[in-house]
Amino acid sequence: AQSVTQLGSHVSVSEGALVLLRCNYSSSVPPYLFWYVQYPNQGLQLLLKYTSAATLVKGINGFEAEFKKSETSFHLTKPSAHMSDAAEYFCAVSEGTGGFKTIFGAGTRLFVKA
Amino acid sequence: ETGVTQSPTHLIKTRGQQVTLRCSSQSGHNTVSWYQQALGQGPQFIFQYYREEENGRGNFPPRFSGLQFPNYSSELNVNALELDDSALYLCASSSQAGTGANVLTFGAGSRLTVL
Repeated sequence: AQSVTQLGSHVSVSEGALVLLRCNYSSSVPPYLFWYVQYPNQGLQLLLKYTSAATLVKGINGFEAEFKKSETSFHLTKPSAHMSDAAEYFCAVSEGTGGFKTIFGAGTRLFVKA
Repeated sequence: ETGVTQSPTHLIKTRGQQVTLRCSSQSGHNTVSWYQQALGQGPQFIFQYYREEENGRGNFPPRFSGLQFPNYSSELNVNALELDDSALYLCASSSQAGTGANVLTFGAGSRLTVL
């Protein structure tokens, strides 16, 4: 069964510092992996997705994630945090052909300090 | 293109009552998924509808039911409400049912409070 574990329910960084949000997945078949962001009182928005075309995936707002099969990880990074990055981030996994549901992690809330 | 719209945005019910939540999918999308997001948690998959039929279901009891209409809009019905049903209910539409590359477009959600 597929699942996602996000390490750290809260992460705090200073503005301009590196952002690193950790995600490990479990899937019995090659997975599709996603990062979504949720701002207060809003639904989730797609940041980026991995679909096996390339292991390093670039998304919106300067975020990127690297798929590492040997570590079953899909960590999200951004070189320089901005105040507007403060939000809740969710890693998600979906199985390949025949899969019908996307499974989300518990989320990591990112705080950005001035 | 229009996004996903949900109604109502907030509602309060009492234990034992029934509730219906509505969702209009994004233009061009034919699949709707519903998620429950309790406070401080990630979204939990309830079910997905494709071509007006349930296409998959998560670990939710039968008192959670849904419909999809010919215009791809959808309803989520919850009977016999319990206190633990208090949550943000998210609707997401997509255009690739049955494939893992199913990118979801979410609405802003309906926040249900059960007293």
